[in-house]
Amino acid sequence: DAGVTQSPTHLIKTRGQQVTLRCSPKSGHDTVSWYQQALGQGPQFIFQYYEEEERQRGNFPDRFSGHQFPNYSSELNVNALLLGDSALYLCASSLLGATQGNSPLHFGNGTRLTVT
Amino acid sequence: DQQVKQNSPSLSVQEGRISILNCDYTNSMFDYFLWYKKYPAEGPTFLISISSIKDKNEDGRFTVFLNKSAKHLSLHIVPSQPGDSAVYFCAPLRGYGQNFVFGPGTRLSVLP
Repeated sequence: DAGVTQSPTHLIKTRGQQVTLRCSPKSGHDTVSWYQQALGQGPQFIFQYYEEEERQRGNFPDRFSGHQFPNYSSELNVNALLLGDSALYLCASSLLGATQGNSPLHFGNGTRLTVT
Repeated sequence: DQQVKQNSPSLSVQEGRISILNCDYTNSMFDYFLWYKKYPAEGPTFLISISSIKDKNEDGRFTVFLNKSAKHLSLHIVPSQPGDSAVYFCAPLRGYGQNFVFGPGTRLSVLP
């Protein structure tokens, strides 16, 4: 049973560039959420996708955008990269219809983005 | 707006002893509370949860206690093992299908 997979594992970009991160959810899951984890902090919610639409969004600028495909996989795009965007980006999948307390998020191992 | 606080950035305990990790929250609308464990170079993994209608939930060596009036929860690990060394995140949840709010984490080191 494949879990959540993310690619690439590491990425180095220059300020002002654009980046796309990819995520395949756990088999059977229909919802994908993206989190940013800066060094020494907990994961911060970016947005959540369900049925190919953004359901919820955290406090992130619109330089951060996403997409969900019919096969439930998802992409996170970040435009005009800033040094402060350097972080671990985590993708998590879940089943929207399940009781959330008993259907916790399943995380991938993340993409480490470094902006120089 | 820090809705979730874990005031101990790090904690060291001896193998076999009890580890107690604490979490405080401000939003009384949270109705589920989860703990996640994270090893280096891996994503967080779910550990244990508790509903707001309960005050205790136990799973093997792990017990979570919830004090709603104090807006405080704690995770007890007994006995602690070296493999428990990881960062632990408290993650409350409000409502159906809502996003999780993660605390800043506590790094637990269990010394052999």
